[in-house]
Amino acid sequence: EIVLTQSPGTLSLSPGERATLSCRASQSVSSSYLAWYQQKPGQAPRLLIYGASSRATGIPDRFSGSGSGTDFTLTISRLEPEDFAVYYCQQYGSSPRSAFGQGTRLEIK
Amino acid sequence: QVQLVQSGAEVKKPGASVKVSCKVSGYTLTELSMHWVRQAPGKGLEWMGGFDPEDGETIYAQKFQGRVTMTEDTSTDTAYMELSSLRSEDTAVYYCATDKLLAGAFDIWGQGTMVTVSS
Repeated sequence: EIVLTQSPGTLSLSPGERATLSCRASQSVSSSYLAWYQQKPGQAPRLLIYGASSRATGIPDRFSGSGSGTDFTLTISRLEPEDFAVYYCQQYGSSPRSAFGQGTRLEIK
Repeated sequence: QVQLVQSGAEVKKPGASVKVSCKVSGYTLTELSMHWVRQAPGKGLEWMGGFDPEDGETIYAQKFQGRVTMTEDTSTDTAYMELSSLRSEDTAVYYCATDKLLAGAFDIWGQGTMVTVSS
């Protein structure tokens, strides 16, 4: 059973800085089925990246995804105030059919 | 565009069942792969199950096997998630979400339904 581990648990940065979030899988994940989500308090998650590196509709190009196999990264090139939220990675296809990482909280420093 | 509108908050006693609905608009349910995800207060996202188009069937997370049933009424484009034998640990916001991209990613989400299990 695949387990996704995100790091760090909390990331403290300032607006304008670059954020790098990690998602590591316990077994190889198909890049086609690795996604990233952003969630703000009281809201449903929002899809940012699918297929490891494809931006979802309407997502600014400061968000980018990369990686393959067991190591994946979400990068936010220059943080905007609205980017401070919780981020989750998710895999689909391997047992269990889908699973989320535990999340990384991106907070304002 | 696709919109998912869920039923309202529920309060249930331990041992009871809850059935949450998710109404689709902008598409027909048969065009979508519907999944359910829950989130306990202050916790992360947990996939419960959903329709797998490759297998052509609904697949449930092992944790919920035997306790969850996901159904669809194509005449009203409404999906349902029923969870039985509720316990306090089932207190959570339950989301329906769809994989319209067929990329294993949930691109459209309902607004969430809060289910509280309390005696």
